[in-house]
Amino acid sequence: GQQVMQIPQYQHVQEGEDFTTYCNSSTTLSNIQWYKQRPGGHPVFLIQLVKSGEVKKQKRLTFQFGEAKKNSSLHITATQTTDVGTYFCAGRDSNYQLIWGAGTKLIIKP
Amino acid sequence: EAQVTQNPRYLITVTGKKLTVTCSQNMNHEYMSWYRQDPGLGLRQIYYSMNVEVTDKGDVPEGYKVSRKEKRNFPLILESPSPNQTSLYFCASSPTGRRGETQYFGPGTRLLVL
Repeated sequence: GQQVMQIPQYQHVQEGEDFTTYCNSSTTLSNIQWYKQRPGGHPVFLIQLVKSGEVKKQKRLTFQFGEAKKNSSLHITATQTTDVGTYFCAGRDSNYQLIWGAGTKLIIKP
Repeated sequence: EAQVTQNPRYLITVTGKKLTVTCSQNMNHEYMSWYRQDPGLGLRQIYYSMNVEVTDKGDVPEGYKVSRKEKRNFPLILESPSPNQTSLYFCASSPTGRRGETQYFGPGTRLLVL
């Protein structure tokens, strides 16, 4: 079946370092969404990308959607303690179903 | 306040004892969905519903039942829970379930089956 692979599973960074998570789909996606889940919380929508090659920014977060609409990335510049959590991508296939990545957990080293 | 609510938030039960987790949304959304979240596996969809009286299996429906008798409610039923159903469960809703929509998640229900 269709899959969205998300890597890495965990990333440890020092506060102030950058963080990136990547998602790759086995098939072309109609769009991709990104969610953040704080520890003990529920997933919260961050952004949606629809167009091939699209890049969107939210303050220190940069989201990209690949030209072939099969991959996407989230990059956080100069991480802060408030960025801690698990970041999920979710791609929507041609049947409108959301296919979720396994998530990347961002851990800030003390 | 627009929200998705789930009850209970925490539940410990024993194998074979039927249980129901309730989910309710006050946003008049047509689409509702249940997920389970397990470490390293992300979110896996159990069942979803496009509207009242319309339900469909997701990726991992075995051992679960759902019903959608009213638009606002979408209970998840475990007729005979087993330890492998120990997980964190999320209910979610969106206006129609079609492309371009955000999903709104409930706070989660942590279930332990002994």
